[in-house]
Amino acid sequence: GESVGLHLPTLSVQEGDNSIINCAYSNSASDYFIWYKQESGKGPQFIIDIRSNMDKRQGQRVTVLLNKTVKHLSLQIAATQPGDSAVYFCAENSGGSNYKLTFGKGTLLTVNP
Amino acid sequence: GAGVSQSPRYKVAKRGQDVALRCDPISGHVSLFWYQQALGQGPEFLTYFQNEAQLDKSGLPSDRFFAERPEGSVSTLKIQRTQQEDSAVYLCASSLVPGGAYAQYFGPGTRLTVT
Repeated sequence: GESVGLHLPTLSVQEGDNSIINCAYSNSASDYFIWYKQESGKGPQFIIDIRSNMDKRQGQRVTVLLNKTVKHLSLQIAATQPGDSAVYFCAENSGGSNYKLTFGKGTLLTVNP
Repeated sequence: GAGVSQSPRYKVAKRGQDVALRCDPISGHVSLFWYQQALGQGPEFLTYFQNEAQLDKSGLPSDRFFAERPEGSVSTLKIQRTQQEDSAVYLCASSLVPGGAYAQYFGPGTRLTVT
């Protein structure tokens, strides 16, 4: 859902379920996207990335889907585990620079045992 | 090997004080980035170094913010005359290659609280 003020969108799932986290990105010229996981008190940790010439990429237990038509990105986590509890951010590399990342607002994932 | 380290991890400053935040990137990493992360928000780009050259400082909020990386390794982010709105977590990231949007390794951050 949409974030309001400082409140993060939240997703609560049961251990073993699949999780889907969504992100709307802003720049239609962006050609590279990354999902990061951030645990409390730590810096963001790379999960998976995708280039704009792809619409799907799979990693270990994670899949990223890219829909350029509606500027939407999603992260699917299979068999979610308590250790997956964290805030998840999507980031885009805007056209014109090969280094600058623009982060989304984040989604708080809580996995219940 | 060691990841990106930052010090101090926590800093409390009184409004008007100057602070200096240190980042030790992964050894050999060419690119270094600073981000500011407000509570409940995603990180926001501040500045980018390639070796010792500061190639982009467009994200620095004001001229009170200054970053340097004199020998192309350790970097310091300095904030002069701190204000309450400067309270945030300051993240440093490094990357092996020039540019390196796709391979940034983040440190744990320094949480700055301005009272």
